[in-house]
Order: sequence, then structure tokens, then C-alpha cells
Amino acid sequence: EPEVTQTPSHQVTQMGQEVILRCVPISNHLYFYWYRQILGQKVEFLVSFYNNEISEKSEIFDDQFSVERPDGSNFTLKIRSTKLEDSAMYFCASSQQGSDGYTFGSGTRLTVV
Amino acid sequence: QKEVEQNSGPLSVPEGAIASLNCTYSDRVSQSFFWYRQYSGKSPELIMSIYSNGDKEDGRFTAQLNKASQYVSLLIRDSQPSDSATYLCADRNAGGTSYGKLTFGQGTILTVHP
Repeated sequence: EPEVTQTPSHQVTQMGQEVILRCVPISNHLYFYWYRQILGQKVEFLVSFYNNEISEKSEIFDDQFSVERPDGSNFTLKIRSTKLEDSAMYFCASSQQGSDGYTFGSGTRLTVV
Repeated sequence: QKEVEQNSGPLSVPEGAIASLNCTYSDRVSQSFFWYRQYSGKSPELIMSIYSNGDKEDGRFTAQLNKASQYVSLLIRDSQPSDSATYLCADRNAGGTSYGKLTFGQGTILTVHP
């Protein structure tokens, strides 16, 4: 079964530091997404990415956030200057078509101290 | 603001019973709905998708969609303790594009007791 792979599984960072979360989507998928889930809360959409550009982003995805697909396989989420409230599970997902359900990665737990 | 609402539960059913999970959505133009299962500390796992009014069955799972009532449900037959998890309903908001942002409900915690 193809998988979406995320690294690291857990990242602890100091407030104000930059973090990069990495994802390897399923190889023949064309649509890529980042979601986050603060402990005990809903899964929230951050951004979708298609054809090498952002196709949609939420209000959460402000100027501190950026995404990149630096090569044919990786998809990264960068948070420039982390805040305490950025502490959450961050999930990468991918789909072959925009109409499909997604496959989620196992997530990165980000803890900002 | 497009919303997806679920009863957070917990819903407790005995092993072998039918578990019924419900979801309502606010966006009348939504076309696609998904049920995900999420074990504690893990990522969401897709169980079912449904796009048309009526029922869709896959093994022990049946999804039901009623667009007139803006209501989606998931039935789990012959519930097993391993089905104990949080079940997330999600609505794909096309928003005029095909990029497929999902809006999730808060999830229903299901406990299946032996």
C-alpha cells in the first residue's frame, strides 16, 4: 500500500525559530495538502498545492508559513518564526485527483517551547 | 463559514452491535463527503467516500447521504473493539475549483466494549 511519509515524527523547537516539516507524497499523486490538528481540536486545512503552486490557503496560513516542492518527490512546510500556538500535529496529505479522498501521512508533532 | 457538525460523543456500543454515526453540513453546494477513522495520536485514515444520495456499502461499513437534509451518516455493522476510535466526517468544498479542500467535523468518539 503506497504511503505518504513525513519527517520528523516529533520536533521540539524554541519560540521564534524556523522549522521545516518534510513530506514525501505518493508518487503518482498530483495534489498536495497540509493540515494541522491542535490537541483535542478539529483537523484544520492549511494549504493545497497543485501544478507547482498554491491553489488555496486558509486564514491560518499567514506570511509565517510557506510551502515548497523543491524536487520531484518532497513537499515541505516552513514556519519562519514559530509561536507557542503553532504547537500541533501537522499532517501532509496527497491525492491523485482533486475529487478523491486523501491519503494522510503519519504526521509531525511540533512542540514550540 | 462552512461548517460540518458531529456529535462528539462518546458513543458506546457493545461488540457485535450496529454503531450509527451522524454528521450535518451547512454548505448546500457540497458534493463529496468522506468518513475518516482516527486512532488516538495517529493520522486520519479514509474509510468511505460518498457523492450521491442514498447508501454506499463497503464491507461492514455503510455511508448514507441525504443532500436535501444536508445529512451524512456512517453505519458500522458487527462492531468490534478494534473499531474504537474517533470518526471524522469531512466535506469537500470545491469552491469553484477542483483542488479539494476538506472541512472536517470535530469527530465522534466511538467505544466498542466487549
